[in-house]
Amino acid sequence: GAVVSQHPSWVICKSGTSVKIECRSLDFQATTMFWYRQFPKQSLMLMATSNEGSKATYEQGVEKDKFLINHASLTLSTLTVTSAHPEDSSFYICSARDRQGAIGELFFGEGSRLTVL
Amino acid sequence: QKEVEQDPGPLSVPEGAIVSLNCTYSNSAFQYFMWYRQYSRKGPELLMYTYSSGNKEDGRFTAQVDKSSKYISLFIRDSQPSDSATYLCAMSETGGFKTIFGAGTRLFVKA
Repeated sequence: GAVVSQHPSWVICKSGTSVKIECRSLDFQATTMFWYRQFPKQSLMLMATSNEGSKATYEQGVEKDKFLINHASLTLSTLTVTSAHPEDSSFYICSARDRQGAIGELFFGEGSRLTVL
Repeated sequence: QKEVEQDPGPLSVPEGAIVSLNCTYSNSAFQYFMWYRQYSRKGPELLMYTYSSGNKEDGRFTAQVDKSSKYISLFIRDSQPSDSATYLCAMSETGGFKTIFGAGTRLFVKA
């Protein structure tokens, strides 16, 4: 099946610093990627939809200036958590849709666990 | 009312049992139905993908969709401890831009 690589898998940073998470589709082209946040024992919360070559679409309540998303190519999207604070600590997961794949079929990265001290 | 309702569990069963996981939904425009499995601290992986109503079988897994009742199920036969994970149902409309996820059901299969 299609592979989505997410890096780093875990990161610890100091409060006030910025952290970048990468999401790559390794063997397919993804015009659309999605970023989620997941709290312990809870489901996925969609943060934003990342479209190649255009601005991301953010869900209600998600601060676009805090969570910067860039989708510069058909295989790479990045999420930058700016001026991170302890409340931003969470599990962040990306998913990608194969532009030639079935509707609704998403491939997920392994997730990135962010801990802000 | 949430668009997709899923009992979070946890559901605990003995090894070898048949497991039934379910979701209900309210949006009649959903046409694509998926089940994802998520192990702890990992990203979800696609298990089953179904379009519209009907059944689909893959090994020990069977997915059922009943659009008239707005109800989908995932059955796991001969459950194994390695099946212990969180199972997420997910749905998309035709045009399928956004996927809506259920809360996920945590399953524990005891050896």
